[in-house]
Amino acid sequence: DGGITQSPKYLFRKEGQNVTLSCEQNLNHDAMYWYRQDPGQGLRLIYYSQIVNDFQKGDIAEGYSVSREKKESFPLTVTSAQKNPTAFYLCASSKQETQYFGPGTRLLVL
Amino acid sequence: SQKIEQNSEALNIQEGKTATLTCNYTNYSPAYLQWYRQDPGRGPVFLLLIRENEKEKRKERLKVTFDTTLKQSLFHITASQPADSATYLCALDIRGYSTLTFGKGTMLLVSP
Repeated sequence: DGGITQSPKYLFRKEGQNVTLSCEQNLNHDAMYWYRQDPGQGLRLIYYSQIVNDFQKGDIAEGYSVSREKKESFPLTVTSAQKNPTAFYLCASSKQETQYFGPGTRLLVL
Repeated sequence: SQKIEQNSEALNIQEGKTATLTCNYTNYSPAYLQWYRQDPGRGPVFLLLIRENEKEKRKERLKVTFDTTLKQSLFHITASQPADSATYLCALDIRGYSTLTFGKGTMLLVSP
């Protein structure tokens, strides 16, 4: 089965803690993306990567970091510098114009 | 700055009717526009892509129009069903590099 997986489904972060959200795809797509979605808001682009070992900041990159060491994987780290991390995080991949999304990770702050 | 606007209020219609959702954008001339469906607590799912040189695109009960002069796309669901209830998002490639900018979405509620 081809697709995108995200884990965990729910993640709890303590004050001052860095947490990492996993995103894996077996669609053989070159490009991958991370979005944040807040209630009543559209998706906002955090980071994107069009090829292995390269990534670019999106509109709201502050307080986040990513890596792209493998084509299949694009993990997102929410650092302690992100003061309002509570949100629904979505990972996507694409080969051309269409994006395919994972099931999302909901991050909550304790 | 670029802006993508979708009806913020939920659209309530009766089963069997046609639902029409609107997406307006400003300050940009996109090469294409996409529509996605999102169910609560899940990731968006791609529905249709329409290019700037296409006036209309259809897929089963779905139809999308694209008026680049009005800077507007209309998304129609004919013979709507309760299972069509979801939030529908339009998206444009404003930045380039196939990065999409999404509207906030319109929630559609189809009652039996």
